[in-house]
Parts: sequence; structure tokens; C-alpha cells
Amino acid sequence: AQSVSQHNHHVILSEAASLELGCNYSYGGTVNLFWYVQYPGQHLQLLLKYFSGDPLVKGIKGFEAEFIKSKFSFNLRKPSVQWSDTAEYFCAVNAGGGKLIFGQGTELSVKP
Amino acid sequence: GAGVSQTPSNKVTEKGKYVELRCDPISGHTALYWYRQSLGQGPEFLIYFQGTGAADDSGLPNDRFFAVRPEGSVSTLKIQRTERGDSAVYLCASSPRPGEGMYFGPGTRLTVT
Repeated sequence: AQSVSQHNHHVILSEAASLELGCNYSYGGTVNLFWYVQYPGQHLQLLLKYFSGDPLVKGIKGFEAEFIKSKFSFNLRKPSVQWSDTAEYFCAVNAGGGKLIFGQGTELSVKP
Repeated sequence: GAGVSQTPSNKVTEKGKYVELRCDPISGHTALYWYRQSLGQGPEFLIYFQGTGAADDSGLPNDRFFAVRPEGSVSTLKIQRTERGDSAVYLCASSPRPGEGMYFGPGTRLTVT
């Protein structure tokens, strides 16, 4: 069965620090990959997605993610975080069949 | 354009009761999904519809859970004989086509006492 693993459960950073959140998936075939964000009190929102082509994808609010097929990874990055990036971040994979499988999430706290 | 809406936003029920949760997807989205999210966990897949039919119901935990989408738009998740372990936030999402980015609703927080 497909699975998604997010290694960091809670990350605490100061403003302007760089961010990298890890995501690994288990599936050997073609995948579509997603990062979602859930700000406090709000519902899940799509941050970025990868279907094919350039493995470095850019999303909203300065976020980007790199698909490394050989490592089964899709890590999320941001060069300089802001206090407003405080949220929970979820990696998800679609390995065919329509449904997305989500990781358990990484809580990001940014200190002003 | 309106997003995905879910009603009620909160539901408190007693153990053993029956509940219905409603989802109104984005107009024109053919795929509709139900997920369940417990505290500290990612969304857990329950079922998804392509049009009126359930394309994948492999995530429904047992036969107490059932979902319908009779006209290919609004969907209802039905839970019979609720148990305390059913307490969670039930999320609905829709997408233009299966496998593409989903748009989530605000969820229904179900509490079984």
C-alpha cells in the first residue's frame, strides 16, 4: 500500500530562517505529489503540486518543492520564513486511482 | 465562486445514534472525496465519488459508514450506531477530475459522547 512519511512532527524556527520539511513516499510508479497547508482555524489549502516536467515546482507564498525520484522524496522549502507561515503542512501522494494519501503532517511554529 | 461547503460545522451526538454529514462541492467538480482527520494526524481517506458512483470506498472503516451522491453533486456521509471512536473532523473535498489538486471544505467536527 502507498504511504507518505513526514519525518518532522514539529519544527520551530525564527523569522528569516530557511525551511525544509521532509516528505518521502512509498510507491515505485508514476506519482502526482502535493503539499497542503492548514493555517490556524482555517481549512486545508493547496500549496503546490507536481505532476510531471521540471522537478522543482514553485507554489504560493514563496514555497517550492523538489521531486527527487531516486529518493522517493518531495521536500518542501522556503528560503526565509515569516511569522505568518505558522501552520501545519501536509504532504500527499496520488499513485493512481484518484485518491490522495496524506502524511501525518508537520507543525511549523515561526517565532517573531 | 463558492468553495466547498459542509454542514453542520459541529455535531455532538450520543453513542449509538445515527448522524448525517452533508457536503456541497464546487460546481462542476466531478470528483468528491470524504476524509477523516483526528487530532495530530493527517487526513485519512474514506471514500471518493466520480459522478454519482463510489469509485473507491476502500477507506470506509466498517459497514456503519455509508455515503451517497445521488445526483452527482451534493454528498451525504451517514454513520450508524455511532461510537466514541468516530469522533473526528470529517472533511469533504472536490476536484475537477480525480487525482488533481483537491479543494477542501471547512469540515464537520463530530463529537460522540
